[in-house]
Amino acid sequence: NAGVTQTPKFQVLKTGQSMTLQCAQDMNHEYMSWYRQDPGMGLRLIHYSVGAGITDQGEVPNGYNVSRSTTEDFPLRLLSAAPSQTSVYFCASSSPSSGYGYTFGSGTRLTVV
Amino acid sequence: GQQVMQIPQYQHVQEGEDFTTYCNSSTTLSNIQWYKQRPGGHPVFLIQLVKSGEVKKQKRLTFQFGEAKKNSSLHITATQTTDVGTYFCAGLTQGGSEKLVFGKGTKLTVNP
Repeated sequence: NAGVTQTPKFQVLKTGQSMTLQCAQDMNHEYMSWYRQDPGMGLRLIHYSVGAGITDQGEVPNGYNVSRSTTEDFPLRLLSAAPSQTSVYFCASSSPSSGYGYTFGSGTRLTVV
Repeated sequence: GQQVMQIPQYQHVQEGEDFTTYCNSSTTLSNIQWYKQRPGGHPVFLIQLVKSGEVKKQKRLTFQFGEAKKNSSLHITATQTTDVGTYFCAGLTQGGSEKLVFGKGTKLTVNP
C-alpha cells in the first residue's frame, strides 16, 4: 500500500505557465481533497470530491481546476500560475471505512517566479 | 462560510509541562478531527470526535468535543520532545458536506 502519492515533490514555474499536480491513492477511498498550506494560514481547502465524477469548490478555488474521472486519481490543474500560488500543496483521501480520517500525501512544494 | 478558530497560535513549554490547544467553530459541527504535523512533514490523523460532550484518550493525549458541538480541545499531559509539531483541528459542518475545514493550528515547541 503506497497510500497517497503526490508528484512532483518540487516544482518551479514561471508566471503564466500552467501545470498539473498529480495525486493518486490506492486505498479505494471515496473522498479526496486538495489543500494548500502557507505560513500562518494553516491548511486551506481548494477543491474536494466525494466520488468519481463529483467535485466541489473549497475555500480558495480560484485559479485551480480539478477532475475525478477515476476513484484513484485527483489531479489539480493550475491554469495560469501566479506568484500568489507559491505554496505547499497537499492531497488527501478518506473513506467511511477509514473512520473518515484523512490520509495525506507528502506534498508538492511549488514556487512561482 | 464556515470558520474554525484555533488558539493559541504558538506554545512553548518545558518538557514535563502540560499543553492545551482550543478550537472553536462559527457553526455547529457534525464531527471534529485532530491532526499532527511534524516539522517538514505532512498532517497525520490523530482522532475523530462525533458525539456531543465526547471525550477520548490516547495515552497522554485527551480530546474533548463540546456539548454544543462547536468547540473542542486537545490536552497533552507531561509533554515530551516527541510531541513537537503543529496540531490542527478540522471540522465537518452538519448537513452531509465533506468539506473539512482546518484551523490555523497550534505550533508546539518543547524545551528538554
